[in-house]
Amino acid sequence: NAGVMQNPRHLVRRRGQEARLRCSPMKGHSHVYWYRQLPEEGLKFMVYLQKENIIDESGMPKERFSAEFPKEGPSILRIQQVVRGDSAAYFCASSLPLTGASYEQYFGPGTRLTVT
Amino acid sequence: GNSVTQMEGPVTLSEEAFLTINCTYTATGYPSLFWYVQYPGEGLQLLLKATKADDKGSNKGFEATYRKETTSFHLEKGSVQVSDSAVYFCALTHIQGAQKLVFGQGTRLTINP
Repeated sequence: NAGVMQNPRHLVRRRGQEARLRCSPMKGHSHVYWYRQLPEEGLKFMVYLQKENIIDESGMPKERFSAEFPKEGPSILRIQQVVRGDSAAYFCASSLPLTGASYEQYFGPGTRLTVT
Repeated sequence: GNSVTQMEGPVTLSEEAFLTINCTYTATGYPSLFWYVQYPGEGLQLLLKATKADDKGSNKGFEATYRKETTSFHLEKGSVQVSDSAVYFCALTHIQGAQKLVFGQGTRLTINP
């Protein structure tokens, strides 16, 4: 059973360009979370999605950032007009449908974005 | 709001030493508590978890006990190995609502042979 897949693993963008990060959850997982890790810091929650639905985007910057999880295909985190401060590692995690019981989030290897 | 505070790093130990990484939390209700480990250049792996007070999570020789009275979840290992060198993150989440993980800042552990 393949784990959470993220691509690309490394992405270099110039200031002002767009960055698209992809995440394919584990088989059977319908919940996806995106986290950002700035250098030498912990992970910060960005957004939580189910298929075709954003559940919680309280951690997303108000501008330039968007996320989707379509019915078919991977979840996409999109950053428009990137700036140097967007340089970070972006991690995706997936989980089973929430049942009120204990659950676990499985993390992908991350995409390391460098803005030059 | 919910928050997690971890022991400041980095931590450097010799092989076979005893390890403790402190973690305390602030949360309403009864969160679930986790320790994740991140090896160089990789994503996070769940190391252990505990979902209610007095539960003890354990894995690969690591242990942590959910102490509600002290709001703590300290990570311990009796004899560390060089291969344990990594960054360790304490985290919490709630079953109610969106189950986003709230992480501590991480503790970098280096084990010297």
